[in-house]
Amino acid sequence: DIQMTQSPSSLSASVGDRVTITCRASQSISSYLNWYQQKPGKAPKLLIYAASGLESGVPPRFSGSGSGTDFTLTISSLQPEDFATYYCQQTYNTLGEITFGPGTKVDTK
Amino acid sequence: QVQLVQSGAEVKNPGASVKVSCKTSGYTFSGYYIHWVRQAPGQGLEWMGWINPNSGGTNYAQKFQGSVTLTRDTSISTFYMELSTLRSDDTAVYYCARRGAVASKFDYWGQGTQVTVSS
Repeated sequence: DIQMTQSPSSLSASVGDRVTITCRASQSISSYLNWYQQKPGKAPKLLIYAASGLESGVPPRFSGSGSGTDFTLTISSLQPEDFATYYCQQTYNTLGEITFGPGTKVDTK
Repeated sequence: QVQLVQSGAEVKNPGASVKVSCKTSGYTFSGYYIHWVRQAPGQGLEWMGWINPNSGGTNYAQKFQGSVTLTRDTSISTFYMELSTLRSDDTAVYYCARRGAVASKFDYWGQGTQVTVSS
């Protein structure tokens, strides 16, 4: 099975800060990496697909990069509504097992 | 608009089974796989499996082999997740999610169903 790790597990930031979250896969997953945002009591929301594709309706301050085993989600200027938990997800084997990273909680400094 | 609407909260005794529904609308039912994901209290997201809406074929995470059954009813555009022999650590919010056409992204999610296992 492909294991996913994220760092940091949590971070404190202020509005306007640039925030970077890293996701690492235990083996190469090409660009089969998606990012989700989840707020308390809500379903996850897709932000980035295929490592760097911006989902429709998602603000351009969100961006993704990487391929192979190392990936990054960047929020260029943190907004009040961005305080949430972020998960990466690998979908390398389309018909096989899918795994999520453990999550990164972004809270206010 | 695409919608996935799940059934309401459930409270079950240990050893019982639970069946959660996910009613879809606003898109071609047969065109998209549905996945199920759960989230225990204060924990992360855990993938459970998927179902092919056309064939009914399924694939389950190894952890859930033998305990979860995914089905669908094409006549009412609804998917089901049944979890058997419930234990207290099955207490979680269960989500259905549509796998989009590109990159296996989960582009639409149900609102979640709380399942509580307690005696």
